[in-house]
Amino acid sequence: DAGVIQSPRHEVTEMGQEVTLRCKPISGHNSLFWYRQTMMRGLELLIYFNNNVPIDDSGMPEDRFSAKMPNASFSTLKIQPSEPRDSAVYFCASQTGFREKLFFGSGTQLSVL
Amino acid sequence: RKEVEQDPGPFNVPEGATVAFNCTYSNSASQSFFWYRQDCRKEPKLLMSVYSSGNEDGRFTAQLNRASQYISLLIRDSKLSDSATYLCVVRTGYSTLTFGKGTMLLVSP
Repeated sequence: DAGVIQSPRHEVTEMGQEVTLRCKPISGHNSLFWYRQTMMRGLELLIYFNNNVPIDDSGMPEDRFSAKMPNASFSTLKIQPSEPRDSAVYFCASQTGFREKLFFGSGTQLSVL
Repeated sequence: RKEVEQDPGPFNVPEGATVAFNCTYSNSASQSFFWYRQDCRKEPKLLMSVYSSGNEDGRFTAQLNRASQYISLLIRDSKLSDSATYLCVVRTGYSTLTFGKGTMLLVSP
């Protein structure tokens, strides 16, 4: 089992550029979550999907952020245009069922200059 | 009041010491509770669930006090490898998990 796979591990970009983060959940897991972690705010839920359908996106900061899950094995989180305050570690996580253990990917360290 | 609050620490303890962390939550309807562990620059991983009757896993003991709305984690005989940030996590109803900001533990030789 390869676990939740995220790419890239590190991303450095300039303000105004588009950033796309990618996630492959564990096979068979039907719920997928995107979190953002900063020192100031801790781990914050951005959006989660169940069976590829977005269920709750109330944590998405603003229209600059969008997420998709075109199939059960792939999801993207896009920021366009990026801003320095978007700098954070972005984690993807998946689980088999709502009350089951949550497995996190290794995260993407995003730096927006 | 924040949904889940923790003392950020750091808690500096020598090897072999016993250390305890507390966490408070604001929503009395919260139903499920967990402790996650996060190593520096790594992802969070589930350490243990917290049951109403309290539960133990080796050197780790978790307890829940619903009346006072707090959760505790006790680590006995601390090891160097216990150095990490411990995240208190709460689920309310059918909602997703809410994470505390974490308590940092540093175990020294």
